[in-house]
Amino acid sequence: DAGVIQSPRHEVTEMGQEVTLRCKPISGHDYLFWYRQTMMRGLELLIYFNNNVPIDDSGMPEDRFSAKMPNASFSTLKIQPSEPRDSAVYFCASSPESLAKNIQYFGAGTRLSVL
Amino acid sequence: AQSVTQLDSQVPVFEEAPVELRCNYSSSVSVYLFWYVQYPNQGLQLLLKYLSGSTLVKGINGFEAEFNKSQTSFHLRKPSVHISDTAEYFCAVSALMDSSYKLIFGSGTRLLVRP
Repeated sequence: DAGVIQSPRHEVTEMGQEVTLRCKPISGHDYLFWYRQTMMRGLELLIYFNNNVPIDDSGMPEDRFSAKMPNASFSTLKIQPSEPRDSAVYFCASSPESLAKNIQYFGAGTRLSVL
Repeated sequence: AQSVTQLDSQVPVFEEAPVELRCNYSSSVSVYLFWYVQYPNQGLQLLLKYLSGSTLVKGINGFEAEFNKSQTSFHLRKPSVHISDTAEYFCAVSALMDSSYKLIFGSGTRLLVRP
């Protein structure tokens, strides 16, 4: 299996622009997670899906952030408009297990720089 | 609220020396515990997990961890480290929060192995 695939690996954009991050989970995994990693705040859960349905989006920082999962093999995280404070590494992870056991498989991440 | 504390932000150690990375968690209910490793410019990889059973858990790359319920700790150990073990290590707990399970990460410990 190719693992969780994220694209792009790096994204540089200007403040105010729309940014879309993409994720392909491992086939057969029912859960998909989006995280943000910064030096100041560490690793934060933004949102997670179960069977393509958003379950908990309480970690989404504000309305500028949105996430979708139109099918079992694809998810997007969109920031519109982007701001410099959104600069971070964004990780997607998927999990085959019941949520309690939470064994997650992470993608390589997208490093976002908003200028 | 559930939390994970990794007291050491960085641990320098010489090659072939033993190492212990400390992790304490706060939880009043049963939890599942994990250690993840993040190599530079990569996503997190599962190192080992404690779900139930024996309190001594063995993982990949010669690492092991011991679950201590009375001390609410899950320290990671390796008897002899290699240069290639240089990475960031994250302790995480899966706990029930607001009616759903979430994976709560510690702030990470950077292991720096010197020749």
